[in-house]
Amino acid sequence: EDQVTQSPEALRLQEGESSSLNCSYTVSGLRGLFWYRQDPGKGPEFLFTLYSAGEEKEKERLKATLTKKESFLHITAPKPEDSATYLCAVQGAGNNRKLIWGLGTSLAVNP
Amino acid sequence: DGGITQSPKYLFRKEGQNVTLSCEQNLNHDAMYWYRQDPGQGLRLIYYSQIVNDFQKGDIAEGYSVSREKKESFPLTVTSAQKNPTAFYLCASGQGTYEQYFGPGTRLTVT
Repeated sequence: EDQVTQSPEALRLQEGESSSLNCSYTVSGLRGLFWYRQDPGKGPEFLFTLYSAGEEKEKERLKATLTKKESFLHITAPKPEDSATYLCAVQGAGNNRKLIWGLGTSLAVNP
Repeated sequence: DGGITQSPKYLFRKEGQNVTLSCEQNLNHDAMYWYRQDPGQGLRLIYYSQIVNDFQKGDIAEGYSVSREKKESFPLTVTSAQKNPTAFYLCASGQGTYEQYFGPGTRLTVT
């Protein structure tokens, strides 16, 4: 069964303290892995798509990487405005465009 | 200014009443989706449509109905048969490479 597990559930960092969020997945024939950011009471905002192991993408202080079993979202020198819930989703070969979602990691960055 | 709009942002209804949530997109995307988000449960797919005049049930379709008469529009009706309708509802659209783009959401409260 296709599955996505995100860890940790919650993370609290000091401003400038770099860290990583994990997304482990089990899927038949990965078509894509997606990272989103969600602020309270708002819709998820698309960040990255990764398609194959070894791929990396960057945006400002965020860098997403992908292996055959997991993805990491690295946050370098975070700022308070990076506080949000980060969601991971995968699309497999047999899912007919349906995404399988993780429960997210709630990140708080203290000034 | 391209994007997805959902209205209203907040909606209040009495038990036993049907209610329709609006979703419009001007991104020219073929596919549209409806999700429900509850605390601690992540995103759950209600219905999706890959083309006009066609839609499929997601994982939790019972008590909901949809229509797709125009490419730009994908309204969701929450019927009185839905046992726990109070939730945050998110509409999304997508094209090609499978990432989905979300609207701002509608928070429905049924009392």
